[in-house]
Amino acid sequence: GAVVSQHPSRVICKSGTSVKIECRSLDFQATTMFWYRQFPKQSLMLMATSNEGSKATYEQGVEKDKFLINHASLTLSTLTVTSAHPEDSSFYICSARDWLAGTDTQYFGPGTRLTVL
Amino acid sequence: AQSVSQHNHHVILSEAASLELGCNYSYGGTVNLFWYVQYPGQHLQLLLKYFSGDPLVKGIKGFEAEFIKSKFSFNLRKPSVQWSDTAEYFCAGHKAAGNKLTFGGGTRVLVKP
Repeated sequence: GAVVSQHPSRVICKSGTSVKIECRSLDFQATTMFWYRQFPKQSLMLMATSNEGSKATYEQGVEKDKFLINHASLTLSTLTVTSAHPEDSSFYICSARDWLAGTDTQYFGPGTRLTVL
Repeated sequence: AQSVSQHNHHVILSEAASLELGCNYSYGGTVNLFWYVQYPGQHLQLLLKYFSGDPLVKGIKGFEAEFIKSKFSFNLRKPSVQWSDTAEYFCAGHKAAGNKLTFGGGTRVLVKP
């Protein structure tokens, strides 16, 4: 099956710093990737849709200046949490859309646990 | 608003018992539906999906789901669970013409050995 990786898997940073998270589709090209946030014991909340070569589309309530998304290639999207604060601590998950031959399925990365001190 | 809902938040059962997890959606028109599983400490994995055709979909690890359009449901089933099926299960869907998945709240399943 399709494989999606994320790096780093865990990151601890000080308040006010910025953190970059990478999402890669390893064995397929993904023109569209998605970034989710998962709070403890809750479901996934879509933050934004990342489109290769164009601006990301953010969901209502998600600050685009705080969560910068770049989708520079067909296999890589990055999420940068700028000026992180403790309330940004969360589990961030990316997915990549594989839509060849009508499959149109999202495959998920293993997630990145961000802790802001 | 488009939504996906899961009825059970927690399910506890013994090995060899049958499992059925409810999922309802509120989309109109053609929908694509998915079940994902998240084992403890692992990432979301696709169990099965429905796009069109046979409403009874078979997935990996002995799971199946039935799409019932009249009931707006896509329930997940497994006839005989194992301890290794302990996980959180998420139903998700999107309109056929769209690509943004909406997730249900998840169901935590605990299988006692």
